[in-house]
Amino acid sequence: AQTVTQSQPEMSVQEAETVTLSCTYDTSESNYYLFWYKQPPSRQMILVIRQEAYKQQNATENRFSVNFQKAAKSFSLKISDSQLGDTAMYFCAFRGRRGTSGSRLTFGEGTQLTVNP
Amino acid sequence: GAVVSQHPSWVICKSGTSVKIECRSLDFQATTMFWYRQFPKQSLMLMATSNEGSKATYEQGVEKDKFLINHASLTLSTLTVTSAHPEDSSFYICSARPSGEGELFFGEGSRLTVL
Repeated sequence: AQTVTQSQPEMSVQEAETVTLSCTYDTSESNYYLFWYKQPPSRQMILVIRQEAYKQQNATENRFSVNFQKAAKSFSLKISDSQLGDTAMYFCAFRGRRGTSGSRLTFGEGTQLTVNP
Repeated sequence: GAVVSQHPSWVICKSGTSVKIECRSLDFQATTMFWYRQFPKQSLMLMATSNEGSKATYEQGVEKDKFLINHASLTLSTLTVTSAHPEDSSFYICSARPSGEGELFFGEGSRLTVL
């Protein structure tokens, strides 16, 4: 079974600064997807960024980028130029590619990020 | 982007009653939908996988008779919490995706409070 671990329950950063959220995972699969989701106070889950394991290049979406280390099974999220609207709970998630079970997302425990003015 | 809608967004019920939560994919068909439960300040825990036209697949520890799932059409899955008790109070979230490898979209969630 896959597991996803986020070792930072809470983090804070000053507005305009850069912050990195950590995530490690465990799997026996060689091909899979990794995600970072954001859950603001509204509780709506929002996809931040997605990485396919077979792609060596780290994914980037505007101010959000990842550091994907497949051998180390590490998938960290870097937020540059932090904004007040980035304040949210961030979840790292894993999804395999095998059959119907490959559709399921396994979430980490979450990291509550607070951006301070 | 694709939209998944849940209804109701919040519901309060008395202990012993049943509550139905709907999850609809508004602009795509979904043969598979997922139901998650989330306690305050905790992660999302998968409860069951809802399959259109067949029985749902429940995760270990989730009571099938307690949480009834029906996926009668390609755009609608329902979760019924039967004989609800205060410990069933939680935030329930559904998700679905348009195609095999596409992005998973989440509903807005439904907050259930059982008195």
